[in-house]
Amino acid sequence: GNSVTQMEGPVTLSEEAFLTINCTYTATGYPSLFWYVQYPGEGLQLLLKATKADDKGSNKGFEATYRKETTSFHLEKGSVQVSDSAVYFCALSPLNTGFQKLVFGTGTRLLVSP
Amino acid sequence: GAVVSQHPSRVICKSGTSVKIECRSLDFQATTMFWYRQFPKQSLMLMATSNEGSKATYEQGVEKDKFLINHASLTLSTLTVTSAHPEDSSFYICSAEDTPEQFFGPGTRLTVL
Repeated sequence: GNSVTQMEGPVTLSEEAFLTINCTYTATGYPSLFWYVQYPGEGLQLLLKATKADDKGSNKGFEATYRKETTSFHLEKGSVQVSDSAVYFCALSPLNTGFQKLVFGTGTRLLVSP
Repeated sequence: GAVVSQHPSRVICKSGTSVKIECRSLDFQATTMFWYRQFPKQSLMLMATSNEGSKATYEQGVEKDKFLINHASLTLSTLTVTSAHPEDSSFYICSAEDTPEQFFGPGTRLTVL
């Protein structure tokens, strides 16, 4: 079946530090891959996505590259800010289902201190 | 951007009672809405797909008679947890489809005593 595994948090960093949140997946065929972010008291928001192998999704300084050979989609940011503190969810949708049938990881909480 | 609201944000009820949770798309119409459930330190699990004007499609293992879904208009879907028990305590999240994306509500924390 389809599943997503992401690193358990919380991840605690100082401002301007480099961020990596690991995400690996198991899926049949070639799914689309997503990162969602949830700020306190708000709904999940799409952060970035990639729909095929070697695609790089990027937004707000965050990047993730779809690696078919390692079935990974790790989230990175070169210099985090306090405002990046949130919960980050890695997700996939199976081939040809668009944004439907999303399968989520457990979420990783990021805490950035000044 | 598209906004989805949920009401209430928190609810505490006694075992055996029913609880209704509302999900509204505030600035767009949504033919399709989704209901998820999240246990502590676990993934969001899709419970059902709600289609305006027709019956919801439930995922395997989700009891249709326990989790009643009504999508009566293009901006409102409701989830009713019937005869709630402590094991139904969880975080319930809805999303609404504004093709091709899903937009998520902030969630409802249900505690059954």
